[in-house]
Amino acid sequence: EAGVTQSPTHLIKTRGQQATLRCSPISGHTSVYWYQQALGLGLQFLLWYDEGEERNRGNFPPRFSGRQFPNYSSELNVNALELEDSALYLCASTGRVGTEAFFGQGTRLTVV
Amino acid sequence: QKEVEQNSGPLSVPEGAIASLNCTYSDRGSQSFFWYRQYSGKSPELIMFIYSNGDKEDGRFTAQLNKASQYVSLLIRDSQPSDSATYLCAVNPRGISGNTPLVFGKGTRLSVIA
Repeated sequence: EAGVTQSPTHLIKTRGQQATLRCSPISGHTSVYWYQQALGLGLQFLLWYDEGEERNRGNFPPRFSGRQFPNYSSELNVNALELEDSALYLCASTGRVGTEAFFGQGTRLTVV
Repeated sequence: QKEVEQNSGPLSVPEGAIASLNCTYSDRGSQSFFWYRQYSGKSPELIMFIYSNGDKEDGRFTAQLNKASQYVSLLIRDSQPSDSATYLCAVNPRGISGNTPLVFGKGTRLSVIA
């Protein structure tokens, strides 16, 4: 069974551009979390989608947004990129809310 | 604000010893608890989950939960150099009934010395 998949693996963007990151959850999982992990730091919660709805968002500016599609895959969009947005972006999926979450391999975003 | 606290380490143990990693959480209503291992530059990998008070064993790993003390720990027996990683504690504050997402601690860096 396929795990959580994220694309692209690496992404290099220029300051001010937009980035789109994608996540496909494990088959049967309906909940998707997005986290940001800057180099050497902990996981910062970005967004949580469940059954197509945004359940919660972390303390990030509105230029971080996303959505969940009917097939439960998800997209994270970051507008007006800043240098400090450079980080590993991780997606995790769960089945029933409250159960164990599994992570994808992450997207390494570099803003230059 | 739901919080999960971990000692950042590094925790250094000799090969073959028991490594003990600890985590405390602030929300007394928390229902489910997870331990993840993260190697440098890689994504977190789930190694244990525990929902009930007491101990849960899986191979060399034992998770311990004490809800009264709001404390969860991970024991790694017969530690190997390959166990050297950052261990993240995660807590689901309200289980299936809440809208609070999974909360992660900042992680404890474990170093197993050969």
